[in-house]
Amino acid sequence: AQTVTQSQPEMSVQEAETVTLSCTYDTSESNYYLFWYKQPPSRQMILVIRQEAYKQQNATENRFSVNFQKAAKSFSLKISDSQLGDTAMYFCAFMKVNTGGFKTIFGAGTRLFVKA
Amino acid sequence: EADIYQTPRYLVIGTGKKITLECSQTMGHDKMYWYQQDPGMELHLIHYSYGVNSTEKGDLSSESTVSRIRTEHFPLTLESARPSHTSQYLCASASTGNTIYFGEGSWLTVV
Repeated sequence: AQTVTQSQPEMSVQEAETVTLSCTYDTSESNYYLFWYKQPPSRQMILVIRQEAYKQQNATENRFSVNFQKAAKSFSLKISDSQLGDTAMYFCAFMKVNTGGFKTIFGAGTRLFVKA
Repeated sequence: EADIYQTPRYLVIGTGKKITLECSQTMGHDKMYWYQQDPGMELHLIHYSYGVNSTEKGDLSSESTVSRIRTEHFPLTLESARPSHTSQYLCASASTGNTIYFGEGSWLTVV
């Protein structure tokens, strides 16, 4: 069975600085997707960034980028130039891709506080 | 912006009652999911579906059931609600590109 581990329950960063959230996963699959989702307080879960396992190049989305280390099964999220609106719970997610289904599981989350 | 809708958004119900949480998406997505999330906590997959007439149980043992008779509709039913079912229930669907879109959630309180 797949597992997703986020070892940092809570982190804080000063506005305009850079922070990295860690995520590791365990799987025997070769074809899968990885995601980072953001859940602001009392608001809807939204996608931050995604990575296909078959792509070696790390995904980038404006101030958000990932460090995908497939052999190490690591998928960290780097937030550059942190903004107050980045304060949220961040969830790492793993989607298994096969003909039988697309089961998707989430890590426990990291609560990020951006301080002014 | 994704078009996935959950009703009711908030519900308070007595123990033993039967409830159905509705979830609909207008994007034609084949893959749909139900997650349970206590406030500020992790998401637990309780059911998922990869098409009409296909449903699978997730990792979290659940007393709920789901059905997928139409692509756009994926309701979750609790036959007999208990206080332990008090939680937020998140419905989601995934595109062919495998990006997951979430609804706003249904907050259930069982008293």
